[in-house]
Amino acid sequence: DAGITQSPRHKVTETGTPVTLRCHQTENHRYMYWYRQDPGHGLRLIHYSYGVKDTDKGEVSDGYSVSRSKTEDFLLTLESATSSQTSVYFCAISPGTARHGYTFGSGTRLTVV
Amino acid sequence: QKEVEQDPGPLSVPEGAIVSLNCTYSNSAFQYFMWYRQYSRKGPELLMYTYSSGNKEDGRFTAQVDKSSKYISLFIRDSQPSDSATYLCAMSEGRDDKIIFGKGTRLHILP
Repeated sequence: DAGITQSPRHKVTETGTPVTLRCHQTENHRYMYWYRQDPGHGLRLIHYSYGVKDTDKGEVSDGYSVSRSKTEDFLLTLESATSSQTSVYFCAISPGTARHGYTFGSGTRLTVV
Repeated sequence: QKEVEQDPGPLSVPEGAIVSLNCTYSNSAFQYFMWYRQYSRKGPELLMYTYSSGNKEDGRFTAQVDKSSKYISLFIRDSQPSDSATYLCAMSEGRDDKIIFGKGTRLHILP
């Protein structure tokens, strides 16, 4: 996906361990988002950022934290991974009006065992 | 009532058929409407966006918005096996950066 990169692409981790997912953009967009996608639930917003050091919670933020120290990087941390956090995680970016939609990354497939 | 409703499918149609995908919504303030296509194990990609009511055509794809009925549609003409994917509708009021997504409809085009 042009301008947005997620890492890692796949990860298997054990219950109780901390995990950090990274989203990197080269578009200089102000807004960045973390979603999780699960069967039957669609895309659910975890956290979002509207600028460096400016973040806010989404609808499923419990157990997750985020940080944005640079415009281009938005990190999602699972403080202590649980099996219910097994999911596909997508990062998205937007210049700020949402009128033309978000651009999504390719996703990170996380399995918590 | 959820803000955006979308039938999850799956919807299976033969190659060459016209496909109709739909969403309903409850928020009359929505003015910007989008359709995303998501292939298996990929991120959603923006397919089309429209503003307010009316139609917008792009090749084999036509997006239609009926604000009076709070109903949007995506039509795919001459459907191809490569159109097999999950299609998500999305909408925004346009006042801020918030987009509401439907849960997606899985589409299978049968060769």
